[in-house]
Amino acid sequence: DAKTTQPNSMESNEEEPVHLPCNHSTISGTDYIHWYRQLPSQGPEYVIHGLTSNVNNRMASLAIAEDRKSSTLILHRATLRDAAVYYCILEGGSGGSNYKLTFGKGTLLTVNP
Amino acid sequence: DSGVTQTPKHLITATGQRVTLRCSPRSGDLSVYWYQQSLDQGLQFLIQYYNGEERAKGNILERFSAQQFPDLHSELNLSSLELGDSALYFCASSLSSFGPPQHFGDGTRLSIL
Repeated sequence: DAKTTQPNSMESNEEEPVHLPCNHSTISGTDYIHWYRQLPSQGPEYVIHGLTSNVNNRMASLAIAEDRKSSTLILHRATLRDAAVYYCILEGGSGGSNYKLTFGKGTLLTVNP
Repeated sequence: DSGVTQTPKHLITATGQRVTLRCSPRSGDLSVYWYQQSLDQGLQFLIQYYNGEERAKGNILERFSAQQFPDLHSELNLSSLELGDSALYFCASSLSSFGPPQHFGDGTRLSIL
């Protein structure tokens, strides 16, 4: 199964951009890249996903390398409420016992005031 | 508020016992997913149901079972409980049968004594 590698932790200052990296060198051609975050004492929250092209939404941007072996979640202006564990996830397969849903260990983002 | 409701929030029981965790998906969502989050294993996908039918199966033990009812709520049954089953169990939902979930509940914390 394709796996992801993320730094264990990162630190940022409030109102500065944050770039959270994820390596997925064994990604297959049909795997989507999803990002979730988990705030303290809450369930995970969907952030963004993409396949090949860069994606933007109101929460963040996702930059995907041309070879798709890595991606970067970009928070344009970090706030204290962005402090969370960020998970980079590959999703592929077609259901049944071969369904692939591999979570990275996540990056703990600390935002300093 | 994700719209996904999980009950109970906390559950304390003993080894060998059986428990049932309940999940009501976000209104309009047809897919329900179950995840287990423990300190040493991270977030693990267990099983997915779509409109009452099993859609995908992950790392779910044979001692665990789940079902989705006609009203779309779901139950996760855990039997012959072991100390290692202590974890946070998350339910999530989405409209589609494909891809990871969009909305997570706040989880049920299961403690085995």
